[in-house]
Amino acid sequence: QKEVEQNSGPLSVPEGAIASLNCTYSDRVSQSFFWYRQYSGKSPELIMSIYSNGDKEDGRFTAQLNKASQYVSLLIRDSQPSDSATYLCAVTFRNSGYSTLTFGKGTMLLVSP
Amino acid sequence: DAGITQSPRHKVTETGTPVTLRCHQTENHRYMYWYRQDPGHGLRLIHYSYGVKDTDKGEVSDGYSVSRSKTEDFLLTLESATSSQTSVYFCAISDRGILAPATDTQYFGPGTRLTVL
Repeated sequence: QKEVEQNSGPLSVPEGAIASLNCTYSDRVSQSFFWYRQYSGKSPELIMSIYSNGDKEDGRFTAQLNKASQYVSLLIRDSQPSDSATYLCAVTFRNSGYSTLTFGKGTMLLVSP
Repeated sequence: DAGITQSPRHKVTETGTPVTLRCHQTENHRYMYWYRQDPGHGLRLIHYSYGVKDTDKGEVSDGYSVSRSKTEDFLLTLESATSSQTSVYFCAISDRGILAPATDTQYFGPGTRLTVL
């Protein structure tokens, strides 16, 4: 069964701290990994994508992928109150020859001023 | 929202009535998806389309049908709505789903909040 697991949180961090969000997945042949941010009542918006092992940095965000451990994480440096949202991890799985995304249930992040 | 609109944005209906939700894109993307999002379950794939008139089932397809007669439109139909179909429905699009799976980023529409009484 295709599964993507995330800690539901909430993860509470003070402003300026590093927030670390984690995700594990069940399918060893998954190729694409995504982090989406979703504010309450809004649609998911893409933050980061990562396809190969290692780190990928984009501004204050760093995605880390370890395919051997089936683990992907998102680090947010210098966290701001505006980063308070639910973060969704998504992983591609093969489905009848096409790739579809499976989402974790999300981790709520709360950044306090 | 990457040129994606959904209509209606809110709808209240009664059990047993048919409901059709529309997703419209202006990006000319080949792939389109319908998800539902519920507390405790996250986003779950209902149906997806990999081209005009080409569709397939997702994880939670029972009670739903879809149609795609044009590249830009993807319709989700609840033939006879039930209270368990009360949810927020999101449409998403991507430009690649198989040929280059490593870049199949999906972009989401604003969502439709459906309440079935």
